[in-house]
Amino acid sequence: DTAVSQTPKYLVTQMGNDKSIKCEQNLGHDTMYWYKQDSKKFLKIMFSYNNKELIINETVPNRFSPKSPDKAHLNLHINSLELGDSAVYFCASSLIERGGRAFFGQGTRLTVV
Amino acid sequence: KQEVTQIPAALSVPEGENLVLNCSFTDSAIYNLQWFRQDPGKGLTSLLLIQSSQREQTSGRLNASLDKSSGRSTLYIAASQPGDSATYLCAVRRGANSKLTFGKGITLSVRP
Repeated sequence: DTAVSQTPKYLVTQMGNDKSIKCEQNLGHDTMYWYKQDSKKFLKIMFSYNNKELIINETVPNRFSPKSPDKAHLNLHINSLELGDSAVYFCASSLIERGGRAFFGQGTRLTVV
Repeated sequence: KQEVTQIPAALSVPEGENLVLNCSFTDSAIYNLQWFRQDPGKGLTSLLLIQSSQREQTSGRLNASLDKSSGRSTLYIAASQPGDSATYLCAVRRGANSKLTFGKGITLSVRP
């Protein structure tokens, strides 16, 4: 049983397109996150939702818009894709009552051509 | 602003060696610290989580310690194996729902 699952795993698209990445967790966690791992493998927070409420919104271009339809899902929509958006995007989740241990998905490798 | 440092960036050791991976952070006001493993092209696997009130956690051949006041954590790997080869990431969290601030990782290679 996959705890945090992301789709798609790979995404190749042209500049200017709009794309979405989906994330689902079956752990009963109340907080979900999107992280970006750049070409130098550095991981940085983008967004976080707690019980469907946005609680973290780092300095990210407004072309990126997260949406949380319920506690188990956090999707990431990207408009007008640019070459610099190429990276690996990771979804994660955690639960305060369980000490905040974060579990990560397998990542979505986005390549913009 | 919290900064997490992991030095060296890469490490190569012969199989069987006991080794220590270091992590330092600039702001000691942390809620917890988590060690992860990342294999090439894969996601992050949680190894150990240490709450701010704890000094260490153990899982199998892994032992992580935390010295909050000095801003340091170490991950001890006993009797290293080639299968331990991966990138090890340290991350700290300021509050229960806060973001994880990551170090850049240490890429470990265990030679047979």
